[in-house]
Amino acid sequence: KNEVEQSPQNLTAQEGEFITINCSYSVGISALHWLQQHPGGGIVSLFMLSSGKKKHGRLIATINIQEKHSSLHITASHPRDSAVYICAVRGKIQGAQKLVFGQGTRLTINP
Amino acid sequence: NAGVTQTPKFQVLKTGQSMTLQCAQDMNHNSMYWYRQDPGMGLRLIYYSASEGTTDKGEVPNGYNVSRLNKREFSLRLESAAPSQTSVYFCASSDSPYNEQFFGPGTRLTVL
Repeated sequence: KNEVEQSPQNLTAQEGEFITINCSYSVGISALHWLQQHPGGGIVSLFMLSSGKKKHGRLIATINIQEKHSSLHITASHPRDSAVYICAVRGKIQGAQKLVFGQGTRLTINP
Repeated sequence: NAGVTQTPKFQVLKTGQSMTLQCAQDMNHNSMYWYRQDPGMGLRLIYYSASEGTTDKGEVPNGYNVSRLNKREFSLRLESAAPSQTSVYFCASSDSPYNEQFFGPGTRLTVL
């Protein structure tokens, strides 16, 4: 079992829909990251969080430490949101300097 | 600012050839990382350098060596390339190991 599991693996939606991508992890963590990989391959950091919720524009990230679960929400989705969204966790003690990545969720927003 | 730059963008090698992937950052970051990305798998850490003068193995270090040349530059060397090293390689940097990472554009490497 992977340390970081994302669901769904693929998601297709219509423009304007509310999107939720989930991330579950099996180890104690000090922080969780959400990243976006554009169709051209570039990777951008979206959020780093260790508790609660963060919001940036139409993107919202939440984390529940007790349930070892995080969600990334996109409101009023747009075709330019089409990308692969990647969850990564940083361990608490051993390996605290390293990130462990999920396999990614490929999101396609149709106009 | 260019951020994190990588050269080359594309490379084709024959089995047994050697090459060095170059990475540089202009953000005065202390920590730098090399990852590989393969289809169906998440990014995997090859080597990292928490600060200038230090390097440590990541999850998949076999077949690779690294050099932290100075604070700006972190290179990845394949001494004898194998088809299993066909992948997309990303370099990243952060001001500390505990903060967000900034990624380069990637190098697509094919080993025949």
